[in-house]
Amino acid sequence: AQSVTQLGSHVSVSEGALVLLRCNYSSSVPPYLFWYVQYPNQGLQLLLKYTTGATLVKGINGFEAEFKKSETSFHLTKPSAHMSDAAEYFCAVSPYVNDYKLSFGAGTTVTVRA
Amino acid sequence: KAGVTQTPRYLIKTRGQQVTLSCSPISGHRSVSWYQQTPGQGLQFLFEYFSETQRNKGNFPGRFSGRQFSNSRSEMNVSTLELGDSALYLCASSPGTENEKLFFGSGTQLSVL
Repeated sequence: AQSVTQLGSHVSVSEGALVLLRCNYSSSVPPYLFWYVQYPNQGLQLLLKYTTGATLVKGINGFEAEFKKSETSFHLTKPSAHMSDAAEYFCAVSPYVNDYKLSFGAGTTVTVRA
Repeated sequence: KAGVTQTPRYLIKTRGQQVTLSCSPISGHRSVSWYQQTPGQGLQFLFEYFSETQRNKGNFPGRFSGRQFSNSRSEMNVSTLELGDSALYLCASSPGTENEKLFFGSGTQLSVL
């Protein structure tokens, strides 16, 4: 079985500051890990995913995440927050290399202060 | 290319009724997945269809069912609606092959009164 825990339901950052969203997973099989973003009244959009290989994964909009097996973590970062980064972010895990049957975390809402 | 289209966008039903939601995937995509999103339970996987066959299923009661047509369009049906079925229902499509990502629609917001 797979599950995801996102630490912090709300994160507030200043524009230009580091964005750090925490995600820990549990999985009985090698995990495939994903970060999605959801803007108000919209569906989810894939930011990045880890399947195999390089543990530092770069995604869209300047986001990246690092897979740390020893810590069972897949934290999402962005060096400099922009106002357009205000959204809800979801970490997810899947037993399949494709992002089918995803198990999502509860989500973290990011607000960006001017 | 048009994105994933879900209809209707909003729906209000009463307890005991049934409802059908529709999802048109991106042209050429053969896989359609459905998710339920609620404030309390978050995002939960309902089922996935590929080439008209259910390939994966989540842990939902039998009141939740789906199907996929030969043109890859999918419908989701919920019978005997309960208040707890109020949610945003998201559909996502994918080509269905390895290493292809999901594309989500904007969802159908179902309110059960």
